[in-house]
Amino acid sequence: GQNIDQPTEMTATEGAIVQINCTYQTSGFNGLFWYQQHAGEAPTFLSYNVLDGLEEKGRFSSFLSRSKGYSYLLLKELQMKDSASYLCAVVEYTPLVFGKGTRLSVIA
Amino acid sequence: GAVVSQHPSRVICKSGTSVKIECRSLDFQATTMFWYRQFPKQSLMLMATSNEGSKATYEQGVEKDKFLINHASLTLSTLTVTSAHPEDSSFYICSARTTNREQYFGPGTRLTVT
Repeated sequence: GQNIDQPTEMTATEGAIVQINCTYQTSGFNGLFWYQQHAGEAPTFLSYNVLDGLEEKGRFSSFLSRSKGYSYLLLKELQMKDSASYLCAVVEYTPLVFGKGTRLSVIA
Repeated sequence: GAVVSQHPSRVICKSGTSVKIECRSLDFQATTMFWYRQFPKQSLMLMATSNEGSKATYEQGVEKDKFLINHASLTLSTLTVTSAHPEDSSFYICSARTTNREQYFGPGTRLTVT
């Protein structure tokens, strides 16, 4: 089975940088996903890491360390619209099972 | 990224009736699709994994006779909620996986059973 941990809530200031951490314990590993979900909407794909290292996509970057069972999502130049839940999910075999997510609030 | 559509976006039905929700991958073929349910302020709960041309695999606690899943083609999966009851009211979201394992979500269907 999977055990995925991420902080429940975070608050950051507009224009700042925030890092959302995710640790996991799984018997197998086929990649780690990050999704953004605004209230009342479906999740939006942000990133998929399968190899160690940092992947950058504009203001969003995702890092993975398979040996440490650790990932983080880095958001730069925060905007108010970045207020959302951020979901970390690890693919052990076929299904994608989500953790509880981190609710990020961006304040002025 | 890949596009997944879901229809309808909202549906209100009476208790005891059935509702069908469609999920389509618009610009790619998806051999595997997933159905999730999400209650307010809770995380997504995987209901079932749907593979094209074969029976769906249901998660523990999900009634397969109540939530009928059909994955008839590489671009279409349907979820039918049979004999719906108020406790089935929820946000149902489908997801499709690409050949390089990226997974994209449809916009979701909000079901209200009265």
